[in-house]
Amino acid sequence: AAGVIQSPRHLIKEKRETATLKCYPIPRHDTVYWYQQGPGQDPQFLISFYEKMQSDKGSIPDRFSAQQFSDYHSELNMSSLELGDSALYFCASSPGTSGYEQYFGPGTRLTVT
Amino acid sequence: KQEVTQIPAALSVPEGENLVLNCSFTDSAIYNLQWFRQDPGKGLTSLLLIQSSQREQTSGRLNASLDKSSGRSTLYIAASQPGDSATYLCAVRSRGGSNYKLTFGKGTLLTVNP
Repeated sequence: AAGVIQSPRHLIKEKRETATLKCYPIPRHDTVYWYQQGPGQDPQFLISFYEKMQSDKGSIPDRFSAQQFSDYHSELNMSSLELGDSALYFCASSPGTSGYEQYFGPGTRLTVT
Repeated sequence: KQEVTQIPAALSVPEGENLVLNCSFTDSAIYNLQWFRQDPGKGLTSLLLIQSSQREQTSGRLNASLDKSSGRSTLYIAASQPGDSATYLCAVRSRGGSNYKLTFGKGTLLTVNP
């Protein structure tokens, strides 16, 4: 079965640079979620999209932005990177909202040096 | 604000033992609860999803229960194996307020010794 695809899997950037993470949801899933997991931490919700509209917003820094495109893939744009942005970034998708299970991708490991 | 707590933070058992991981949440108004497994530096593998109307779910050697009114869930692992060693995370999807996100606990680090 198709799973959530994230690219790249690993990314190394320097401070103050920008990064773009991509997420391709499971086919026919219209809802995408982004989570950030710092070293030794539990995943924290950043933002979600339903039918290409932002549906919810969590602890996402103003330096980050995201969007969902017409084909339902999503991109997380991160600017002015800081050392503290080093983390695993997960994307998840679901076939709708509310009680549907969220299926997680393998994550993108971002290292900021 | 939903808060999820997992006890114990770490657990070490000999191979073959049955074990129970605990998860508690402060707001009982939930859509569902998911248990995940995470190997070091790796992604999240969904183990079981329990809807708020359900009491338990089973998958192989795993059994998860949900007591929504008391805000508790348990993950029971039967006949543990070294390959079960990982961090187990509990996550809750709340009904009120921000009802899109999952709120995670900090996990239980399980080590199964051969």
